Amino acid sequence: AQKVTQAQTEISVVEKEDVTLDCVYETRDTTYYLFWYKQPPSGELVFLIRRNSFDEQNEISGRYSWNFQKSTSSFNFTITASQVVDSAVYFCALSEAVGAGGTSYGKLTFGQGTILTVHP
Amino acid sequence: NAGVTQTPKFRVLKTGQSMTLLCAQDMNHEYMYWYRQDPGMGLRLIHYSVGEGTTAKGEVPDGYNVSRLKKQNFLLGLESAAPSQTSVYFCASRATSGGAWQYFGPGTRLTVL
Repeated sequence: AQKVTQAQTEISVVEKEDVTLDCVYETRDTTYYLFWYKQPPSGELVFLIRRNSFDEQNEISGRYSWNFQKSTSSFNFTITASQVVDSAVYFCALSEAVGAGGTSYGKLTFGQGTILTVHP
Repeated sequence: NAGVTQTPKFRVLKTGQSMTLLCAQDMNHEYMYWYRQDPGMGLRLIHYSVGEGTTAKGEVPDGYNVSRLKKQNFLLGLESAAPSQTSVYFCASRATSGGAWQYFGPGTRLTVL
């Protein structure tokens, strides 16, 4: 069974601070995908990144960066120089592969979310 | 392309009432999903469908029924609403290939009094 754990329920920082959101996952499959989503106060889910299990390269996109480590089953998300607009709930999610032995039909398993509040 | 749309956006029900949530996608996706989001619990899968005419139970299916009579639509029904079903409901769809991309609708906020 898949499981995603986001240990931080809430994080509060002051603008311009760096902040890291932790995500630890469990899966038996060797092929899987990891995601981060942002949910702003307006409620919609905004896709941030997808990473497949064979690509452990870290990724940077502007102020966002992601650190994927299979050895520790972690996929952490860092926001550099945080801004008030970064205030949101952030979800980490895991999807097993469809085909190639996967039977989950691509459904996502979400972590419980981390509420990030950035104060001016 | 409208992507994934959900109807209605908001609804208030009384305990015991029934209703149907509609999810529609215009991307010709085979797979569709219904999730519910509750505070502190992330999103949990209710039911899913791998094609027209097929449905399957997810993690929290009790109290819900679904139908996929047309490929583009996935309906979620509550036959007798309960306060425990107060939640935000998200629909998603994905193609059969091209990785695990799921496209989410905007959500439906349901309150059961």
